[in-house]
Amino acid sequence: GENVEQHPSTLSVQEGDSAVIKCTYSDSASNYFPWYKQELGKRPQLIIDIRSNVGEKKDQRIAVTLNKTAKHFSLHITETQPEDSAVYFCAATLSAGGGNKLTFGTGTQLKVEL
Amino acid sequence: GAVVSQHPSWVICKSGTSVKIECRSLDFQATTMFWYRQFPKQSLMLMATSNEGSKATYEQGVEKDKFLINHASLTLSTLTVTSAHPEDSSFYICSAVGGNTEAFFGQGTRLTVV
Repeated sequence: GENVEQHPSTLSVQEGDSAVIKCTYSDSASNYFPWYKQELGKRPQLIIDIRSNVGEKKDQRIAVTLNKTAKHFSLHITETQPEDSAVYFCAATLSAGGGNKLTFGTGTQLKVEL
Repeated sequence: GAVVSQHPSWVICKSGTSVKIECRSLDFQATTMFWYRQFPKQSLMLMATSNEGSKATYEQGVEKDKFLINHASLTLSTLTVTSAHPEDSSFYICSAVGGNTEAFFGQGTRLTVV
C-alpha cells in the first residue's frame, strides 16, 4: 500500500517568513495529493490539492509543487501569519471515481511566532 | 464545500459499554465513507472504508468485531465501539466522498472511556 512520509514534524517561523513542508510517497500510481490544516480538536480542512498532471498550483499565499519522478510534493506558505499556526497533513491517494482512500503523512506542527 | 456532520462531538462512557458515532453527509450522497482514529499529536490513521450497502473493509490491525461499521444509506454511516476500554479513548473522525470528489471530514468525536 501507499506510504507517505512528512518532514519536518515541527516548524517554527517568524511572522512574515516562508514555511515549507515536504512529503514523499511510495506508490507511483497515486495521482491526487491534498494538503490539510487541522487546528486542535477540529476537523482537517482542505487548503490546497494537486493532481499528478500538474507540477505546481498556487492559491494566494499557499502553493504546492509536485515532482512525480522523485515522488515528492511540498507545501509552501509565504508571508506567514499567526493564524497559520496549526498542524498540517499531506496525503496521497489514487483517485479513481470515488473512494478516495487517503494515506496521511505524520503531520507538521507549524508555529508562527510574532 | 459539502457538509459532513458527525455526532456526538464528544462522549464519556464507562469501560465495557458501547458507543455509537454517526456520520452524515448533509448535502450530497456519499458513495464511500472512511473512519479514522487520531491519538493526541499523531496523524489520522484509517480504520475502515465503508461503501453503502456492503460490508466495511477494515485496515490491518483493526478489530472488525470491536469497531462495528454500518453504512445503511448514501448519507449515513455509523461506527459503534463495542465493549469500550480506556485504550479506545481517542478522536474518531469520519470523511465522506461522493463520486470523484475531495473528501469532506466530519467534526470528529472525542471519546473518553473511564
